[in-house]
Amino acid sequence: DTGVSQNPRHKITKRGQNVTFRCDPISEHNRLYWYRQTLGQGPEFLTYFQNEAQLEKSRLLSDRFSAERPKGSFSTLEIQRTEQGDSAMYLCASSSWRGADTGELFFGEGSRLTVL
Amino acid sequence: GESVGLHLPTLSVQEGDNSIINCAYSNSASDYFIWYKQESGKGPQFIIDIRSNMDKRQGQRVTVLLNKTVKHLSLQIAATQPGDSAVYFCAENTGDYKLSFGAGTTVTVRA
Repeated sequence: DTGVSQNPRHKITKRGQNVTFRCDPISEHNRLYWYRQTLGQGPEFLTYFQNEAQLEKSRLLSDRFSAERPKGSFSTLEIQRTEQGDSAMYLCASSSWRGADTGELFFGEGSRLTVL
Repeated sequence: GESVGLHLPTLSVQEGDNSIINCAYSNSASDYFIWYKQESGKGPQFIIDIRSNMDKRQGQRVTVLLNKTVKHLSLQIAATQPGDSAVYFCAENTGDYKLSFGAGTTVTVRA
């Protein structure tokens, strides 16, 4: 499978616990994005990387959230001290940036978080 | 704030008929729009895009129309099939694919 891969697909945790999601983008893609989607809503942009550099973080990304892409390949999204409001689908996407134009964004299947 | 939104949350269509899904946006400076399809339990899938210097773009069974005067875009699906049942989102590219999505329209195809 050469698509965007996310793990775990589902995570149930208790409030206050830390969780980490992993995203493996399409291998030749240099840009990686994280979005969050709550039930009945469209995805919301959280942050994105070009190679290992984090270029921007949304105001939605509180201090409890941290994302990394240490080697410019896979990325992790960690949520510390989870709250019930963090329950959502966390989507990863990747694209091939070619300077003047950004290629199509390919989404993974998402990691669904339920905070009890 | 400025955002992209959809007119109707649901649309029921008879198989074989054409579907039209509408979307209104408020940022007059927006120059790139994308339609995505999302099936249950899956990530959004690219359908078609359009830049603001175009009024119409066609793909396979899909057409996107952009009316910049009224800040409106639509997605037309020809000969709707059961596999077209999904949630459809319009999205505005705010730059570098930092997309602003609408709430979505759930399309149900009746046999």
